[in-house]
Amino acid sequence: AQSVTQLDSHVSVSEGTPVLLRCNYSSSYSPSLFWYVQHPNKGLQLLLKYTSAATLVKGINGFEAEFKKSETSFHLTKPSAHMSDAAEYFCVVSEIRNSGNTPLVFGKGTRLSVIA
Amino acid sequence: DSGVTQTPKHLITATGQRVTLRCSPRSGDLSVYWYQQSLDQGLQFLIQYYNGEERAKGNILERFSAQQFPDLHSELNLSSLELGDSALYFCASSPQPGGEGGYTFGSGTRLTVV
Repeated sequence: AQSVTQLDSHVSVSEGTPVLLRCNYSSSYSPSLFWYVQHPNKGLQLLLKYTSAATLVKGINGFEAEFKKSETSFHLTKPSAHMSDAAEYFCVVSEIRNSGNTPLVFGKGTRLSVIA
Repeated sequence: DSGVTQTPKHLITATGQRVTLRCSPRSGDLSVYWYQQSLDQGLQFLIQYYNGEERAKGNILERFSAQQFPDLHSELNLSSLELGDSALYFCASSPQPGGEGGYTFGSGTRLTVV
C-alpha cells in the first residue's frame, strides 16, 4: 500500500526566507503526488500536483515541488515565505493502477509558522 | 468557495446517537469521497462513491455507512456514536472515478460527541 512520510511535524521560518517542507513517499506503482494546504478552521486546498509529466511542478502562491524517483521524495519549496503561508501542509500520494487511481493517502502534516 | 458544500458545519450530539452528514459535490463531479480528520489519526480515507456506486472503501467502521443519491449528493451516516468519533469530516469530489487531477474538498463538518 502507498504511504507518505512528512519528515518534520513543525517548521518555523522568518518572513522573506526560503521554505522547505520535506516528504518521502512509498508506492508499489507509479505515484501521483500532491501537496494540499489547510489554513486554520478551513478546508483543504490543492497547492500542486505531479502526475508523471514534468518532474518540477509549479503550484499556486509561488510554491513548487520536485519529484525525485531515485530518492522517493517530493519536497515542497518556496523562495520567500509570507505571513499568509502559515498553515498546515499535507503531502499526499495516490497510485496509478490499470483499474484507476487509488484514493488519496495523506501524510501526518507539517505545520508551517512564519515569524515576522 | 470550493464548490463542494457540506452541511451542517458543526454538530454536537451525545454518545449512542446517530447523525447524518450531507455533501453536495462540485457541479459536474461524479466522484465523492469521505475523509475523517482527527488529532491522533490524521486524515483517514473512509469511502468513495462514483455515480451512485461504491468504488473504494477505506478505514470505515461498521457503525458508519454512506450512500450517493441520483442527484449525486452524498450522505454519511454515523450511528452508536462514541467519544472517539469526534472529528472533522471532510467530503471531496472529482470528475473522474480515479480522481487523477486531485480532489476538491469541502470545508468540513465538525462533529463533537459528548
